[in-house]
Amino acid sequence: KNEVEQSPQNLTAQEGEFITINCSYSVGISALHWLQQHPGGGIVSLFMLSSGKKKHGRLIATINIQEKHSSLHITASHPRDSAVYICAAPSNTGNQFYFGTGTSLTVIP
Amino acid sequence: KAGVTQTPRYLIKTRGQQVTLSCSPISGHRSVSWYQQTPGQGLQFLFEYFSETQRNKGNFPGRFSGRQFSNSRSEMNVSTLELGDSALYLCASSLDPYLVTYEQYFGPGTRLTVT
Repeated sequence: KNEVEQSPQNLTAQEGEFITINCSYSVGISALHWLQQHPGGGIVSLFMLSSGKKKHGRLIATINIQEKHSSLHITASHPRDSAVYICAAPSNTGNQFYFGTGTSLTVIP
Repeated sequence: KAGVTQTPRYLIKTRGQQVTLSCSPISGHRSVSWYQQTPGQGLQFLFEYFSETQRNKGNFPGRFSGRQFSNSRSEMNVSTLELGDSALYLCASSLDPYLVTYEQYFGPGTRLTVT
């Protein structure tokens, strides 16, 4: 069992739809990161959060520490949102960095 | 501010050879982390350097090593290359990725192919 689990693995949406990607973790972590990876490999950090909710444009990230669960929401999805979304977390002991397997999102015009 | 740079961007090596990859962090960042990404295993943590010291290490064999210089630039070395080492190697820099307030900034990666 992976320390960080993501779902779904693949997601296809119509432009304009509301999208949710889920991340659950089983280890103690100091913060949770949401990353975006476009074809070609470049990774961009979208959010880093340890509690509550953060919003950036059409993207919203939430985390529930008690339930060890985080979600990434995309409102009014657009084809340029097509990418792989990865949740990641450094352990709270600071000696490991865990990654989810990624969610491949395709938004169709 | 210039972003994280990695060189080379692409590399082809033969089994048994060794390779050195370089990462230049964002100015002022003292932490550099290295990651391996393969289709089968996804992203995996290799090691992290902070102020020239290896602070954390993932579960990789000793063939994978690294170092960090006084200007925070980092290199990683893989000796006795195996076919399974073919991957995208990413580095990321941060003021300190283990503190909640500091994000990681990723470089474009080095795509290594071992034949």
